[in-house]
Amino acid sequence: EAGVAQSPRYKIIEKRQSVAFWCNPISGHATLYWYQQILGQGPKLLIQFQNNGVVDDSQLPKDRFSAERLKGVDSTLKIQPAKLEDSAVYLCASSLGRGSINEKLFFGSGTQLSVL
Amino acid sequence: RKEVEQDPGPFNVPEGATVAFNCTYSNSASQSFFWYRQDCRKEPKLLMSVYSSGNEDGRFTAQLNRASQYISLLIRDSKLSDSATYLCVVNYRDSSYKLIFGSGTRLLVRP
Repeated sequence: EAGVAQSPRYKIIEKRQSVAFWCNPISGHATLYWYQQILGQGPKLLIQFQNNGVVDDSQLPKDRFSAERLKGVDSTLKIQPAKLEDSAVYLCASSLGRGSINEKLFFGSGTQLSVL
Repeated sequence: RKEVEQDPGPFNVPEGATVAFNCTYSNSASQSFFWYRQDCRKEPKLLMSVYSSGNEDGRFTAQLNRASQYISLLIRDSKLSDSATYLCVVNYRDSSYKLIFGSGTRLLVRP
């Protein structure tokens, strides 16, 4: 079974530039998550989609970050403009999304972003 | 106070040792609990769920203490391949299910 696909694997940009990340979840998974993981910290949820609707975006810095999940499958996360503190690994994850409290997440390999 | 707290370590142990990690959580409404493993520069992967009655998977044993709001992970007979960061994860229901990750405990197993 194919896992969660993310691209690009690495991205280096200068501050104030824009960047976009792409994620393709596991087929049939209704819930998609974007996490930000800063070095030495645990993953922090940025946004959670259920199909193509946003369930939780309370920790998304909406002045610069945006995300969409058109047609309830692929998703893109955009940062515009980037700041130095956005340097992190951006992880996409998916789960079946059946409302189980034991929902298990499957992560992609992540995109490592360096803002110079 | 952080929602999920872990000792960052590193725990440096010899092969064959037994090592235990604890994790505390602040939200008493938390409903499910997990340990994820993250290798260096890799994505987190589910290690095991944590049940109220405690559960064991080979050399790994997880325990939950709801009264004290902590979770533990015990690794017996440590292997070099156990070297990784272990993330404690707590799930609670607000308007939706929220999975909160701890910062992780780093384990180094030496020959």
